Amino acid sequence: AQSVTQLDSHVSVSEGTPVLLRCNYSSSYSPSLFWYVQHPNKGLQLLLKYTSAATLVKGINGFEAEFKKSETSFHLTKPSAHMSDAAEYFCVVSAYTGTASKLTFGTGTRLQVTL
Amino acid sequence: GAVVSQHPSRVICKSGTSVKIECRSLDFQATTMFWYRQFPKQSLMLMATSNEGSKATYEQGVEKDKFLINHASLTLSTLTVTSAHPEDSSFYICSARSGRINYGYTFGSGTRLTVV
Repeated sequence: AQSVTQLDSHVSVSEGTPVLLRCNYSSSYSPSLFWYVQHPNKGLQLLLKYTSAATLVKGINGFEAEFKKSETSFHLTKPSAHMSDAAEYFCVVSAYTGTASKLTFGTGTRLQVTL
Repeated sequence: GAVVSQHPSRVICKSGTSVKIECRSLDFQATTMFWYRQFPKQSLMLMATSNEGSKATYEQGVEKDKFLINHASLTLSTLTVTSAHPEDSSFYICSARSGRINYGYTFGSGTRLTVV
């Protein structure tokens, strides 16, 4: 079994300030973890992924996330928010059990960026 | 990179009719495709998983006779909403994956279905 908890349903930051979107996971197997971004009425775009390599993962658009097994966390950060970062962000876990693999989505965090 | 094309992006249909949504992997072979449903301001809910050439595996609570999934080739999967009702109105998103390893999920751009 696997699950994802996004601790904040809504985060608001000022442009130019740091972004922190929190995510905790649970998985019975060695997980892969992803962050996706979704703009209104659009599909999902992959920001970054962790697949058991380096624990600090760098993604697109200046985002990065750190896999912390001891804390079962995979928080998404960005040093300086831009207006174009306003969107819905999903933390996702996947585990390959040997017979099947599927994604489990968090409930999403809406990021608002203000001037 | 991997691209998944989903069509149509938006469709309006009358109650009782059927609607087909296509999901194509453009530059890779998708051994597995996934169909999700997303209600407004909510997360994605997996509806079914389909492997090329075999029957789809539906999640609990999803009516397989209502949501027909066909994955006839390694690059195409279709979702047909049969006898559509207004409560079927939603945002449907497909995802495709190649290989067995836990990476390489690519999402389509979604289909906004409105049943009137």
